[in-house]
Amino acid sequence: AQSVAQPEDQVNVAEGNPLTVKCTYSVSGNPYLFWYVQYPNRGLQFLLKYITGDNLVKGSYGFEAEFNKSQTSFHLKKPSALVSDSALYFCAVRQNRGSTLGRLYFGRGTQLTVWP
Amino acid sequence: GAGVSQSPRYKVAKRGQDVALRCDPISGHVSLFWYQQALGQGPEFLTYFQNEAQLDKSGLPSDRFFAERPEGSVSTLKIQRTQQEDSAVYLCASSPTRSSYEQYFGPGTRLTVT
Repeated sequence: AQSVAQPEDQVNVAEGNPLTVKCTYSVSGNPYLFWYVQYPNRGLQFLLKYITGDNLVKGSYGFEAEFNKSQTSFHLKKPSALVSDSALYFCAVRQNRGSTLGRLYFGRGTQLTVWP
Repeated sequence: GAGVSQSPRYKVAKRGQDVALRCDPISGHVSLFWYQQALGQGPEFLTYFQNEAQLDKSGLPSDRFFAERPEGSVSTLKIQRTQQEDSAVYLCASSPTRSSYEQYFGPGTRLTVT
């Protein structure tokens, strides 16, 4: 079965400090991994993805994520947080083949708050 | 260009009523997904369409839930005899093909069953 765990419901950081939002996953075969961000009353917005290749992937708004196969993790990072980064972040995984191709499995989300 | 749109944005239904939620995907997108997001949870898969064909409906929670996409474009998610546990945000997403990496999400319809 496919699943995603986001162990922290909330992450609080000061503006200018680095941030990390954690994600671990379980999937059959090689995973496709994603981060989405959700602002209030808006749909999910794509941030970045890992498909294959370099374990460090860069995405929108200065975010990056590191794929670690041995730890089955895909943590979201940003070197210097902004107040405007405050939002709800979702990690998601999907299989790269099979009958459930395309279906995303999401974590519960992590609320990121960046204070001035 | 236009993104995925959903209507209505908010819907209040009395328990037992039927509701219909509409999704307009990005033009030309073959794949369309519906997800249900309960309060404090991540989205959960409901069903998938490739053009007009419903290829996966394994996530629909009961036979009260029904989805269609008759012309391979607009999709409607219908919930019959709504229950309080149906209260959630219903998200629609589209992508160019099933294997496309990115799914583009609409703003969602927040359904409240009283």
